[in-house]
Amino acid sequence: EDQVTQSPEALRLQEGESSSLNCSYTVSGLRGLFWYRQDPGKGPEFLFTLYSAGEEKEKERLKATLTKKESFLHITAPKPEDSATYLCAVQAPRNTDKLIFGTGTRLQVFP
Amino acid sequence: EPEVTQTPSHQVTQMGQEVILRCVPISNHLYFYWYRQILGQKVEFLVSFYNNEISEKSEIFDDQFSVERPDGSNFTLKIRSTKLEDSAMYFCASSGEGGGGYTFGSGTRLTVV
Repeated sequence: EDQVTQSPEALRLQEGESSSLNCSYTVSGLRGLFWYRQDPGKGPEFLFTLYSAGEEKEKERLKATLTKKESFLHITAPKPEDSATYLCAVQAPRNTDKLIFGTGTRLQVFP
Repeated sequence: EPEVTQTPSHQVTQMGQEVILRCVPISNHLYFYWYRQILGQKVEFLVSFYNNEISEKSEIFDDQFSVERPDGSNFTLKIRSTKLEDSAMYFCASSGEGGGGYTFGSGTRLTVV
């Protein structure tokens, strides 16, 4: 069964303290891995799509990487406005467009 | 920047009542989706819609649920007879040709009492 597991569940960082969030997946034939940011009471906000092992993408303080079994979201020198839940999702293979989401990592960045 | 618009933002309904959740996807997108998120749980796929028909649906999407694209801009989710367990955030999403990055709306919080 296709599965997505994110760790840690929650992460508290001091402003400027870099860290990484993990997303491990079990999917036969990955079509795409997505990272989203979700603020309380809001919809997921698209950050990145990764398609193949070795691929990396960056946006401001965020960098996403992908291997054959997992993806990391690296946060460099975070600021309080980076506080949110970060969701990982995989696009299931074989003629389907649905996304399978993990439970997310709730990030809090303190000044 | 183009966005997906959902209305209403909050809906409270009595058990057994019908509700219609509305969405306006991004205008040049071709694929439309509904997902839901029960409080504290994962975002779950409900249904995908392409070329005016359902392309895939999950086990959650039973006979109580239906979707429609009544005109060129709106995409609706109807729940015929709501249950307490239907209480959740419902998100509409759309994507362009080939999938890629899905754009989600801000959601409708449905509370069934």
